[in-house]
Amino acid sequence: EVQLVEAGGGLVKPGGSLRLSCAASGVSIVNAYMNWVRQTPGKGLEWVARIKSRSDGETTDYAAPVKGRFSISRDESRNTLFLQMNSLKTEDTAVYYCTTDRDWKFDDWGQGTLVTVSS
Amino acid sequence: SYEVTQPPSVSVSPGQTASITCSGDRLGYKDVCWYQQKAGQSPVVIIYKKNRRPSGIPERFSGSTSGNTATLTITGTQATDEADYYCQAWETVVFGVFFGGGTKLTVL
Repeated sequence: EVQLVEAGGGLVKPGGSLRLSCAASGVSIVNAYMNWVRQTPGKGLEWVARIKSRSDGETTDYAAPVKGRFSISRDESRNTLFLQMNSLKTEDTAVYYCTTDRDWKFDDWGQGTLVTVSS
Repeated sequence: SYEVTQPPSVSVSPGQTASITCSGDRLGYKDVCWYQQKAGQSPVVIIYKKNRRPSGIPERFSGSTSGNTATLTITGTQATDEADYYCQAWETVVFGVFFGGGTKLTVL
């Protein structure tokens, strides 16, 4: 059974930084496509970023609103996915989920971690 | 960017058929997923590649696409189906993933 546990959310001021983590079990994240998806009450679900598996080149993709500010990465030794978020804006306030991505669907989801950007 | 539009709410009586539509430019030509999210829980995929069901998803859930529209159909709707439903499209030319705004299904 796949388990994804996000952590690292919290309150941060506009312009600040935060790093989210997603500890995985039951899946080798190096061999999986992994994503971050966020959810706000007003805008529903929004895809944030993806990293491909090692065998597919580990390339990354980002949604337009976060490109240049967020960075997705992973630590194989810890089987953990990360999302480095810089230059945070109030509109980045959301619950952030990590997900696996197989066969063109988001299969497994964590419970989410809340990020609040506010002065 | 790519826009996917869903109605904010749909109501259905128990045992009846609920249909939730999703629209977007040439949506029928893209791989489409549907997710169910119950209150306080993370989303769960119920339809992928337009009309496939992951293992464990009841047969009463089905998906279809045509032209600019994707439809989630729930036959014999149960009270436990009350949830928010999101459609999602994959864009592969310039990779992106786009969700609709979600539809709240109320089983009256």
